[in-house]
Amino acid sequence: EAGVAQSPRYKIIEKRQSVAFWCNPISGHATLYWYQQILGQGPKLLIQFQNNGVVDDSQLPKDRFSAERLKGVDSTLKIQPAKLEDSAVYLCASELSSYNEQFFGPGTRLTVL
Amino acid sequence: QKEVEQNSGPLSVPEGAIASLNCTYSDRGSQSFFWYRQYSGKSPELIMFIYSNGDKEDGRFTAQLNKASQYVSLLIRDSQPSDSATYLCAVERYSTLTFGKGTMLLVSP
Repeated sequence: EAGVAQSPRYKIIEKRQSVAFWCNPISGHATLYWYQQILGQGPKLLIQFQNNGVVDDSQLPKDRFSAERLKGVDSTLKIQPAKLEDSAVYLCASELSSYNEQFFGPGTRLTVL
Repeated sequence: QKEVEQNSGPLSVPEGAIASLNCTYSDRGSQSFFWYRQYSGKSPELIMFIYSNGDKEDGRFTAQLNKASQYVSLLIRDSQPSDSATYLCAVERYSTLTFGKGTMLLVSP
């Protein structure tokens, strides 16, 4: 069974630029999560999708972050414009359904200069 | 504000010893509790979860939960150098996980 795929693995941008991350969950997993993990911290939930609907986006900075999950499969997370404090690893996780094990992708390491 | 507290460590133990990792949480409505292991530069991987008071054992790992004290712990028996990693405690409510900052464990040969 293929795992959660994410791309790109690394991204370096300058502040005020835009960036997008892509996630392909495990086949059949209805729930998809985006987390932000700053160095030395635990993952922080940004947004949770159930199929293509948003379940929880209370911690998503909506003035600059946006996410979508078209057709309930792949998802993209966008930052526009980026700030220095957005430097972090962005993790995507998927789950067969709520209350099951979350499987994490390898993450995208973003550096904002 | 839901909070999950962990000692950042590092916790250093010799090979073969028992490592004890602790976590406290603030949300009394929390329903399930997870321990993830994260190697440097890698993504978290689930070790085990627990949702009932008491102990749950899985191989060398034992999770302990005390909801009255809002405390969850992970014991690793016969620690190996390959157990050296950051251990993340996560607390779940309504399918949303809140993670602690993690405890770094170092197992010396």
